[in-house]
Amino acid sequence: GQSLEQPSEVTAVEGAIVQINCTYQTSGFYGLSWYQQHDGGAPTFLSYNALDGLEETGRFSSFLSRSDSYGYLLLQELQMKDSASYFCAVIGDLSGNTPLVFGKGTRLSVIA
Amino acid sequence: EAGVAQSPRYKIIEKRQSVAFWCNPISGHATLYWYQQILGQGPKLLIQFQNNGVVDDSQLPKDRFSAERLKGVDSTLKIQPAKLEDSAVYLCASSLVEDRASDTQYFGPGTRLTVL
Repeated sequence: GQSLEQPSEVTAVEGAIVQINCTYQTSGFYGLSWYQQHDGGAPTFLSYNALDGLEETGRFSSFLSRSDSYGYLLLQELQMKDSASYFCAVIGDLSGNTPLVFGKGTRLSVIA
Repeated sequence: EAGVAQSPRYKIIEKRQSVAFWCNPISGHATLYWYQQILGQGPKLLIQFQNNGVVDDSQLPKDRFSAERLKGVDSTLKIQPAKLEDSAVYLCASSLVEDRASDTQYFGPGTRLTVL
């Protein structure tokens, strides 16, 4: 089976940096994705890591360590509009036998 | 480019009733997914289609849920009969190719189902 752990809630100040961690246990692993979801909205894709290291996209970066079964999403220069839920999702394999599995999400609150 | 369309946006039904949801993916996207998202949890994959064939339905409760994607374009998800625990948002997503590893999924706005 597959399971993902991420903090349920995080609060940070506008303009600051916040890191949302994700640890996973999977029978197979191909990659880790991150999605953002505002209240009442649809999830939107943020980033994807298949190899160890840091991927940067503007204010957002995502990191993966396959040996530690661990990844994180880093949000810099926080803005009020970043208040949302953030989900990590594991892709176990490409065969179609293992579905894409989402974590329970981390609710980020950005305060002034 | 138009996004993924879903209808209805909201549905309230009594338990044991039937309900159907409709999804129209982004034009040209071969892969279509249905997810169930219970309040406070992440989306859970119910079924994945590649064109009009089923790739993965391992987590679909087949005794009450069914889905089809005729002609490989739009899709319907049906629940019959509904239970209280089916109350959730049902999300449809599509992607251009089957390679889930690198292909971005685009989500629709979802259908919020309440079963009373």
